[in-house]
Amino acid sequence: EAQVTQNPRYLITVTGKKLTVTCSQNMNHEYMSWYRQDPGLGLRQIYYSMNVEVTDKGDVPEGYKVSRKEKRNFPLILESPSPNQTSLYFCASSLGQGAKILGTDTQYFGPGTRLTVL
Amino acid sequence: GNSVTQMEGPVTLSEEAFLTINCTYTATGYPSLFWYVQYPGEGLQLLLKATKADDKGSNKGFEATYRKETTSFHLEKGSVQVSDSAVYFCALLIYGGATNKLIFGTGTLLAVQP
Repeated sequence: EAQVTQNPRYLITVTGKKLTVTCSQNMNHEYMSWYRQDPGLGLRQIYYSMNVEVTDKGDVPEGYKVSRKEKRNFPLILESPSPNQTSLYFCASSLGQGAKILGTDTQYFGPGTRLTVL
Repeated sequence: GNSVTQMEGPVTLSEEAFLTINCTYTATGYPSLFWYVQYPGEGLQLLLKATKADDKGSNKGFEATYRKETTSFHLEKGSVQVSDSAVYFCALLIYGGATNKLIFGTGTLLAVQP
């Protein structure tokens, strides 16, 4: 089954304790992205990756890191989490440049990770 | 800049009522438009999409037409069910340079009562 998986689904942690949220897709997609969802703000992009070893900042990158060593995985790293990073996080993937020409680059989302930083 | 504006929720309807959720956008160029749905406790699922002006996207009884003249992509359903209760997000996809950027509205909560 084609899907985007995230782990963990729920996480409660304390300020300053490094954590990683994993994201994996099995659709051979080039493009992957992380979003955070907050009430009244919709989804905002944190980081994205156009392909392996290519990453760039989205709209709200402060306090986050990412890496893209393999095509299927795109982990989100919080080196020193703070309470304002309490949020619902989504990973997404899409075909990327190949679909750009067709104008049909649909993004597929993971189930979400609810993070609470105390 | 590029943005999406959705009607404020929550929208509360009785079963079998007609649904409209308004969505307007501001964008340079010719974006693709999407509606995503988020059921309680789940991630976002693509509901429907339209890639050019006058296209109509449809799925599960929902429809939306890409109206370039009014920069709108309103979501409609003729008869809602309790199972349609969810948060609905309008989004546009901008193609430019090195990125395909998906920009979301703030979401509209729909609650359907039996």
